Amino acid sequence: GENVEQHPSTLSVQEGDSAVIKCTYSDSASNYFPWYKQELGKRPQLIIDIRSNVGEKKDQRIAVTLNKTAKHFSLHITETQPEDSAVYFCAANRPDSGNTPLVFGKGTRLSVIA
Amino acid sequence: DGGITQSPKYLFRKEGQNVTLSCEQNLNHDAMYWYRQDPGQGLRLIYYSQIVNDFQKGDIAEGYSVSREKKESFPLTVTSAQKNPTAFYLCASSMADYDSPLHFGNGTRLTVT
Repeated sequence: GENVEQHPSTLSVQEGDSAVIKCTYSDSASNYFPWYKQELGKRPQLIIDIRSNVGEKKDQRIAVTLNKTAKHFSLHITETQPEDSAVYFCAANRPDSGNTPLVFGKGTRLSVIA
Repeated sequence: DGGITQSPKYLFRKEGQNVTLSCEQNLNHDAMYWYRQDPGQGLRLIYYSQIVNDFQKGDIAEGYSVSREKKESFPLTVTSAQKNPTAFYLCASSMADYDSPLHFGNGTRLTVT
């Protein structure tokens, strides 16, 4: 079945610097890759997603890139701010597993130091 | 902050007791899910349901049970058979297809002693 590996598990950056979180997946049939942000004590919320028909998607300071050949996708946050501090989860769908729900990575705790 | 409501926020139980966590949504979503969140483990799927009166086991279903008698409601029972029940439980809902965004509830933190 699908396996999603996420790195790093923790990441600290200075305010204004960029942050990059990477995920790899195992199921070559996966075609939907969302990213969720979970602030401390709050629910996870979708921040950006990408489908396999594109290689990159941007939304203001956030971008996601996808390399289908290598089976990895990455979240890029530019000009980081303290409010970007949170746990970020990547996920992938698994069309070949009887159309079961998303499988998530283990999360990355991002700390933006002012 | 409406849409999907979990209650209670905190729940304490003695070992050996079954406990039911509530999840209600008013988003008219067909699909509902239960995830368990442990530190460093990400979100692991317990059970999911695509339609009323039907549900499927997820990756870690042992020791849990669910029902889906109404579209709006998907309660989770943590039974005494669950070896490590203390965790943060998240309910979510989405449109019927599995490449639609998940909408999460605020979660229930269950502590079993």
